Amino acid sequence: EIVLTQSPATLSLSPGERATLSCRASQSVSIHLAWYQQKPGQAPRLLIYDASNRATGIPARFSGSGSGTDFTLTISSLEPEDFAVYYCQQRFNWPPWTFGQGTKVEIK
Amino acid sequence: QVQLQESGPGLVKPSGTLSLTCAVSGDSITSSNWWSWVRQPPGKGLEWIGEIYHSGNTNYNPSLKSRITISVDKSRNQFSLNLTAVTAADTAVYYCARFRCSSTRCYAGFDYWGQGTLVTVSS
Repeated sequence: EIVLTQSPATLSLSPGERATLSCRASQSVSIHLAWYQQKPGQAPRLLIYDASNRATGIPARFSGSGSGTDFTLTISSLEPEDFAVYYCQQRFNWPPWTFGQGTKVEIK
Repeated sequence: QVQLQESGPGLVKPSGTLSLTCAVSGDSITSSNWWSWVRQPPGKGLEWIGEIYHSGNTNYNPSLKSRITISVDKSRNQFSLNLTAVTAADTAVYYCARFRCSSTRCYAGFDYWGQGTLVTVSS
């Protein structure tokens, strides 16, 4: 099973600041990685698929990069609605498809 | 607009069977996509449970494989989850989700999700 480790666990930032979230895989997942945003009481929302492609309707301030074992989600300038929990997920080596444990982006 | 809607009992007794259905609208269950179940215990992270293709092919999480059955009902455009021998550890919000594939490739990411349904295992 591929383990995804996200860091940091919590990121405390102010609106307008840049957020950089990391996801490291225990073995290569090529580019088969996705990022999600989840707000309390809501389902996860797909932000990035195949490591670097923004999903439909996702603002340009969200970007993904990386391949192999190291991936980054960057939010260029935090908006108030971006404070949430973010998960990475791999779909390369199965079963099972696995998620990271999440990074919480909170208001400083 | 693709929509997924979970339904089923919100309370299941220990050792019983959890049964949920996901109704799909805006897409055909017989399209090239895979259809998944994901769960989230209260205050915790996401766990992939399993998935089904309209042909009936399934993939299951090995940690749950002995207790899971996922099936598809093409006539109703829906798919279902059965989880047997439940314990308190199975208490979670259960989501259904779509994994997008074209005729030639799949794209990493669940692009549509249901709103989720909380299932509590308790006597």
